[in-house]
Amino acid sequence: GAGVSQSPSNKVTEKGKDVELRCDPISGHTALYWYRQSLGQGLEFLIYFQGNSAPDKSGLPSDRFSAERTGGSVSTLTIQRTQQEDSAVYLCASSPTVKSEQYFGPGTRLTVT
Amino acid sequence: DQQVKQNSPSLSVQEGRISILNCDYTNSMFDYFLWYKKYPAEGPTFLISISSIKDKNEDGRFTVFLNKSAKHLSLHIVPSQPGDSAVYFCAAKAVISSGSARQLTFGSGTQLTVLP
Repeated sequence: GAGVSQSPSNKVTEKGKDVELRCDPISGHTALYWYRQSLGQGLEFLIYFQGNSAPDKSGLPSDRFSAERTGGSVSTLTIQRTQQEDSAVYLCASSPTVKSEQYFGPGTRLTVT
Repeated sequence: DQQVKQNSPSLSVQEGRISILNCDYTNSMFDYFLWYKKYPAEGPTFLISISSIKDKNEDGRFTVFLNKSAKHLSLHIVPSQPGDSAVYFCAAKAVISSGSARQLTFGSGTQLTVLP
């Protein structure tokens, strides 16, 4: 079956611009996670959605970052007024339940110039 | 403050030999540990996991060992194959204390290169 998909695969933007990154989780997966991986670093948790519950935003690095999940499926991560330190690979993962293994998408490589 | 540490950024081994990847953690609340494998331009894929109630879990060529007293785990791959060349991430989560699995805390990864 189809895995987690993300778009775009690559995004180059100018400092100060807003960007939107999209994640399509595996159908039926109730949990959705956003992580980012900066150069030479491990994956850093950003935000987590579970069903209709309020999202866990504890990993968002600043108020320029926000995410939503519409209809319990597709999620969009928005970064406003991008900065160069936002350059990273942004990874989305989904899992059938909160206790299941997470399945990752291929990521979006964001470069802020 | 890194709660999960992989101190070796890279490792090279000969095909057929054993690969040992190490991981240390500091958070004593972690009770479930996973290894993910990542190829370039792809997302991480789950490899093997271990619960804190065990000290060893084996799946084919892959074995994960957990030493709770030392807060250390390792992944053994034997025999190593060229196709195993990838970045390996150690990850941990606190299932019991958090009430749910929620997010994973990852190490920074180790690039494994298996030489033919």
